[in-house]
Amino acid sequence: DVKVTQSSRYLVKRTGEKVFLECVQDMDHENMFWYRQDPGLGLRLIYFSYDVKMKEKGDIPEGYSVSREKKERFSLILESASTNQTSMYLCASSFNREETQYFGPGTRLLVL
Amino acid sequence: SQKIEQNSEALNIQEGKTATLTCNYTNYSPAYLQWYRQDPGRGPVFLLLIRENEKEKRKERLKVTFDTTLKQSLFHITASQPADSATYLCALGTNSGYALNFGKGTSLLVTP
Repeated sequence: DVKVTQSSRYLVKRTGEKVFLECVQDMDHENMFWYRQDPGLGLRLIYFSYDVKMKEKGDIPEGYSVSREKKERFSLILESASTNQTSMYLCASSFNREETQYFGPGTRLLVL
Repeated sequence: SQKIEQNSEALNIQEGKTATLTCNYTNYSPAYLQWYRQDPGRGPVFLLLIRENEKEKRKERLKVTFDTTLKQSLFHITASQPADSATYLCALGTNSGYALNFGKGTSLLVTP
């Protein structure tokens, strides 16, 4: 079975802190994605990566950056956390040429 | 502008009945459409994929239809069970990339 893991289920940070969210997949997937999910807004794509060191902006990249140094790991970075970044963050991965995305359990981030 | 619309109101049905969820879209030309299930506090889980040249797809008690003229997909769960209670998300994809565009989801509650 495909497994996508995220470093934390719950995280509390202070405004202005640098925050790292890590995602690891064990199925050698080429593509990895970061979404945030908010009530009434649904799932919104922040960034995705289709190869090591490659990244593409999604719909809401402002205030975020990403890093993909190894194929299995995709990190989301909040350079200076703000309260409007309080959300559920979901990582997903997929094979090239296959459309199904496999999601991790999510990280619920609270920025105070 | 592009829109994916799912019923925002929760769908309540009695156990044993067929649940039908709707996904409508505008200003998209999707190559395929997917349905995911999401339980509270968890990541979405893939259920079914249907391509633009397919009218209907089935998997056990699940059935998906895709009408590119109406720009609509219907998702049916027959003989529904309380364990089917969850939020169901539709997602559209194109051949030009691997990112998905998600609807906001419809909550389904199946009561005994």
